[in-house]
Amino acid sequence: AQSVTQLGSHVSVSEGALVLLRCNYSSSVPPYLFWYVQYPNQGLQLLLKYTTGATLVKGINGFEAEFKKSETSFHLTKPSAHMSDAAEYFCAVISFRGGTSYGKLTFGQGTILTVHP
Amino acid sequence: NAGVTQTPKFQVLKTGQSMTLQCAQDMNHNSMYWYRQDPGMGLRLIYYSASEGTTDKGEVPNGYNVSRLNKREFSLRLESAAPSQTSVYFCASSVRLVDEQFFGPGTRLTVL
Repeated sequence: AQSVTQLGSHVSVSEGALVLLRCNYSSSVPPYLFWYVQYPNQGLQLLLKYTTGATLVKGINGFEAEFKKSETSFHLTKPSAHMSDAAEYFCAVISFRGGTSYGKLTFGQGTILTVHP
Repeated sequence: NAGVTQTPKFQVLKTGQSMTLQCAQDMNHNSMYWYRQDPGMGLRLIYYSASEGTTDKGEVPNGYNVSRLNKREFSLRLESAAPSQTSVYFCASSVRLVDEQFFGPGTRLTVL
């Protein structure tokens, strides 16, 4: 079964510092990968996605992520944190087997990002 | 476009009461989903509908039923609410099962 692990339920950074949120997945076949952001009392918003092609994916708000098949990772980064980046971030995966999709997103447990002035 | 809309935004029920959560999307998406979100557990899929006329169980379907009323609407019903169903419920939709999902604003449900 597919699974997603986000390392660190809470990450705290200073404004202007690098943001690194870690995500590892388990799948024998390269999956589709997503990062979503959730601001307080709101729904989830797509930040970026990887399906095929270039392994470095750029998303909204200056975020990017790199798919590393050898490490089964899809870590989210942003060079310089802003106060408005404070939110909860979810990594999610759709896995495939034999060319067929399981067709359902599996989410990680989420990482709460705090940005200090 | 309103995207994905959910009603109500908040609801308080007593144990044993029933209710239906409504979801509608105006993006002409084929697939729709219901999730629940609990602290520290991410989002867990309750039911999904790959296309109009089909529904399937997700990870945590017990205690829930769904209806895909038409292409736009997908409702979630709690027949006899239990305190364990206190949660935030999100509806989502996508063009196909493998595509990114778009989420509604959520319904915060408390069962006393």
